[in-house]
Amino acid sequence: QVQLQQWGAGLLKPSETLSLTCVVNGGPFSGYYWGWIRQPPGKGLEWIGEINHSGNTKYNSSLKSRVTLSVETSKRQFSLTVSSVTAADTAVYFCARVTAVTAPKHYYYMDVWGEGTSVTVSS
Amino acid sequence: SSELTQDPALSVALGQTVTITCRGDSLKTYLTTWYQQRPGQAPRLVIYGTNNRPSGIPDRLSGSSSGNTASLTITGAQADDEADYYCNSRDTNDQDVLFGGGTKLTVL
Repeated sequence: QVQLQQWGAGLLKPSETLSLTCVVNGGPFSGYYWGWIRQPPGKGLEWIGEINHSGNTKYNSSLKSRVTLSVETSKRQFSLTVSSVTAADTAVYFCARVTAVTAPKHYYYMDVWGEGTSVTVSS
Repeated sequence: SSELTQDPALSVALGQTVTITCRGDSLKTYLTTWYQQRPGQAPRLVIYGTNNRPSGIPDRLSGSSSGNTASLTITGAQADDEADYYCNSRDTNDQDVLFGGGTKLTVL
């Protein structure tokens, strides 16, 4: 059974860099994209971006200038960095396994999720 | 980019049927995904490809779609179904990923 375990700093000051890592335990690492999603307190889900084992990435266009995704396939890990954080980046951050199918029909889903990491940005 | 629109809140009496809807242009191209999220937990996939249930999801949850509107129906709602529900698809630009704003379901 695939499990995602995530970790990273939970308290940051404005202008610092957020850094989170997710490790994939069990199941294949290749053949999937691996995504990051965040949820501000009391609000809905926001997609941040995704990366595959080869390092191919897709980013939320509204966050792209501050977000970097990276992957270490040998360690079955993928990571998120968000630069120049502000209070607006305060959220629970989730990692997830992505399945995207384009034929015969287009569908997209995240079927395995990490438990979430709470990140607070405060001076 | 596009967006997905959901009603913010719905309620249903125990044992009754409720339908949660999601509207967006991307749903004409991409089949819809639905997640259930209970307080303090990560989202859980409950429907993918519009009407497919992962293993372990009860068959009282079902999905459908018509045009730009997708629906998640819970037949015979249980207390366990009280949660936030989010719809999801990729955007028509095939780059961004969209989430609906979420529907808070209360089981009375």
